[in-house]
Amino acid sequence: KQEVTQIPAALSVPEGENLVLNCSFTDSAIYNLQWFRQDPGKGLTSLLLIQSSQREQTSGRLNASLDKSSGRSTLYIAASQPGDSATYLCAVQDGDYKLSFGAGTTVTVRA
Amino acid sequence: ETGVTQSPTHLIKTRGQQVTLRCSSQSGHNTVSWYQQALGQGPQFIFQYYREEENGRGNFPPRFSGLQFPNYSSELNVNALELDDSALYLCASSLNQGNEKLFFGSGTQLSVL
Repeated sequence: KQEVTQIPAALSVPEGENLVLNCSFTDSAIYNLQWFRQDPGKGLTSLLLIQSSQREQTSGRLNASLDKSSGRSTLYIAASQPGDSATYLCAVQDGDYKLSFGAGTTVTVRA
Repeated sequence: ETGVTQSPTHLIKTRGQQVTLRCSSQSGHNTVSWYQQALGQGPQFIFQYYREEENGRGNFPPRFSGLQFPNYSSELNVNALELDDSALYLCASSLNQGNEKLFFGSGTQLSVL
């Protein structure tokens, strides 16, 4: 059974600091890994999708890396802004197509 | 906006009642998945429908059931509601089953009293 863990559970940084969010998973037989953003009481917004054959993906200030063999991914957010405050979820898609999610990292960016 | 719409946005029910949640998938998407997200936790996979057939199910009891219609919209039905069913229910659609990006709706917040 796939287990996905996100550390830390919560993070508070001053505006302008870079954010580093970690995700680990137990079964490396994945199709892809996805990072999502969730605002309180809302649905999920897809940020980045990394295929199992890729090492990283970038979109604007966001960069995500994937080390499938060690079961780890890291999401970097450069020059954080108060609008980046949200919960960030990591999910892996495995052989039966479902997503297995971590519990998320709640980020607060202080102005 | 993802193009995935869910209704209703909020719902309050009493223990033992039945509920139906609805989801319209993004145009051109033939696969719909449902997830349950309890407060403070990550979403948990309930089941997936591909071309009107259930083709994957998570660890949820049979009182959680679903349908997918010819236009690929979907319903989630929950019978005999329990207090622990209180959660945010999320629908996601994808272009096809398998290795595809998922697009999520805004969810239905269900409260069971």
